[in-house]
Amino acid sequence: GENVEQHPSTLSVQEGDSAVIKCTYSDSASNYFPWYKQELGKGPQLIIDIRSNVGEKKDQRIAVTLNKTAKHFSLHITETQPEDSAVYFCAASQRAGGTSYGKLTFGQGTILTVHP
Amino acid sequence: DTAVSQTPKYLVTQMGNDKSIKCEQNLGHDTMYWYKQDSKKFLKIMFSYNNKELIINETVPNRFSPKSPDKAHLNLHINSLELGDSAVYFCASSQGLSNTEAFFGQGTRLTVV
Repeated sequence: GENVEQHPSTLSVQEGDSAVIKCTYSDSASNYFPWYKQELGKGPQLIIDIRSNVGEKKDQRIAVTLNKTAKHFSLHITETQPEDSAVYFCAASQRAGGTSYGKLTFGQGTILTVHP
Repeated sequence: DTAVSQTPKYLVTQMGNDKSIKCEQNLGHDTMYWYKQDSKKFLKIMFSYNNKELIINETVPNRFSPKSPDKAHLNLHINSLELGDSAVYFCASSQGLSNTEAFFGQGTRLTVV
């Protein structure tokens, strides 16, 4: 089955700095890679996703890159703000076909702290 | 008008008891899931249902029994609760199995004492 590794487990930055979180996956059949933000006491919320036919996607201060050959993808947050502080999860899944499609396999999570 | 709602939000119960967690989505999605988040924040899928049909059962003890009376509801019943069942349980939904953009509920924190 799919295995997703996420690093670092904790990340502390100053407000205004950039933050980068990296993930690797094992199953070459995976073709959908979402990122979730989980605030304290809440459920994970999708913040950005990328499909395997795209190398990069950007949404305001958030960008995600995907390297299919190396099987890794990264989340980049620029101009960080204190409200970006949360746990971030990467995930991988197969969007269609295969025996495990419909299932998100999550990384271990990164606790991001943005200091004012 | 919460998209995915779970009840209860907190559940404290004794070992050996049987309890249920309810989930409802008003997004018109066909697929619903249960995920478990352990004390280290690790999220792992337990079950998925598509149009009331069980699709994924991820090696979960048979003390856990999901039930989907219709595609907007997916409940989780747990028999003979054990200390190790303490976790946060999240319900989620997506448009379909081929669209895994999942929307999560707020979670149910289950504490077994």
